[in-house]
Amino acid sequence: AQKITQTQPGMFVQEKEAVTLDCTYDTSDPSYGLFWYKQPSSGEMIFLIYQGSYDQQNATEGRYSLNFQKARKSANLVISASQLGDSAMYFCAMREANTNAGKSTFGDGTTLTVKP
Amino acid sequence: DTEVTQTPKHLVMGMTNKKSLKCEQHMGHRAMYWYKQKAKKPPELMFVYSYEKLSINESVPSRFSPECPNSSLLNLHLHALQPEDSALYLCASSQTGTGELYEQYFGPGTRLTVT
Repeated sequence: AQKITQTQPGMFVQEKEAVTLDCTYDTSDPSYGLFWYKQPSSGEMIFLIYQGSYDQQNATEGRYSLNFQKARKSANLVISASQLGDSAMYFCAMREANTNAGKSTFGDGTTLTVKP
Repeated sequence: DTEVTQTPKHLVMGMTNKKSLKCEQHMGHRAMYWYKQKAKKPPELMFVYSYEKLSINESVPSRFSPECPNSSLLNLHLHALQPEDSALYLCASSQTGTGELYEQYFGPGTRLTVT
């Protein structure tokens, strides 16, 4: 069973608007971390934001926030005030503390295009 | 400094060549990773080094040979590759410790073409 599911292959957003990228996950490990990475066409993967399974509050990092719904096993990325430079592929990833140690599981990614 | 550097940026090699990819980080991270990524796909883990020791090999063919000479450097030696090995090769590093729930920092990658 796929552990990380990103159901949106492609998304479009108007510049300056907010956009939500979906991510659902599956794990039986009580301790895990969820990560979002951005990959522009240049190829480098850039770490954006982290949410731990025991964190009580949703993570925020500048224009990025994570809408963490533990019971639903979802960890959606919200980008506020989109900019042209946000156009990229976005990957949701998970690491489990007690199983698959040292490994990250990545979703298939969502390509975001910001329109001027 | 959250930089991971990789050289070369681009590499074209024949199936009989031997080449090496290099990766360097100076963040004091003790876990380093090699990933292979095909276009529009997620990265696939190849190898993990923890404290300069190989801790994970994801059943990678022996034509790929990793090496970690010290805590800052990671190499990937390539020999007798196949055209299907053409991909973006990403190096990453992270802190390591109990739980392993640390973000990874990636280099810009090496775009490899095997002819």
